[in-house]
Amino acid sequence: NAGVMQNPRHLVRRRGQEARLRCSPVKGHSHVYWYRQLPEEGLKFMVYLQKENIIDESGMPKERFSAEFPKEGPSILRIQQVVRGDSAAYFCASSPSGGANSPLHFGNGTRLTVT
Amino acid sequence: RKEVEQDPGPFNVPEGATVAFNCTYSNSASQSFFWYRQDCRKEPKLLMSVYSSGNEDGRFTAQLNRASQYISLLIRDSKLSDSATYLCVVNPGGGADGLTFGKGTHLIIQP
Repeated sequence: NAGVMQNPRHLVRRRGQEARLRCSPVKGHSHVYWYRQLPEEGLKFMVYLQKENIIDESGMPKERFSAEFPKEGPSILRIQQVVRGDSAAYFCASSPSGGANSPLHFGNGTRLTVT
Repeated sequence: RKEVEQDPGPFNVPEGATVAFNCTYSNSASQSFFWYRQDCRKEPKLLMSVYSSGNEDGRFTAQLNRASQYISLLIRDSKLSDSATYLCVVNPGGGADGLTFGKGTHLIIQP
């Protein structure tokens, strides 16, 4: 049973380009979370999705960032017109339910570098 | 006060020693507590949940002190493979989207 799969592992974009990060949750998990980790910083919650629905996007910047989790296919985190400050590791996690005690299974992350 | 606060370390500990570190949290209504482990440039992995009565998993013991709002992690007979960053995670309640991660405590086990 494969874990959370993220791709690409590394992504380099020039300022102003779009970055598209993909996440396939653990099979059978319908809850997906995106986190961002800056160097020497803790993980910051960005967005929580269930299939076809955004449940909580309180941690996501209002502009340039969007996320989706379609009925078929992986969850996508999209960053438009990237800036240097977007450089970070982006982790996706999934869980079988959205409860407070539900453990999160993390993917190995996408490291975005904006040049 | 930060929501979840940890001593960043690094803690340099000889192999075989016992090491303990704490994490404080600011929200007294917090309901769920976890320790995650993160290796360099890898994803976080759940180490253990922390229960009110304290719990043990092999060489690892986790404790919760609600009155003083901190949780602790104790590692006995430390191994070289225990070298990692340990993340304290607190959930004030509601769903898993409320998880708040500390910045982590960096542990280095020396041979």
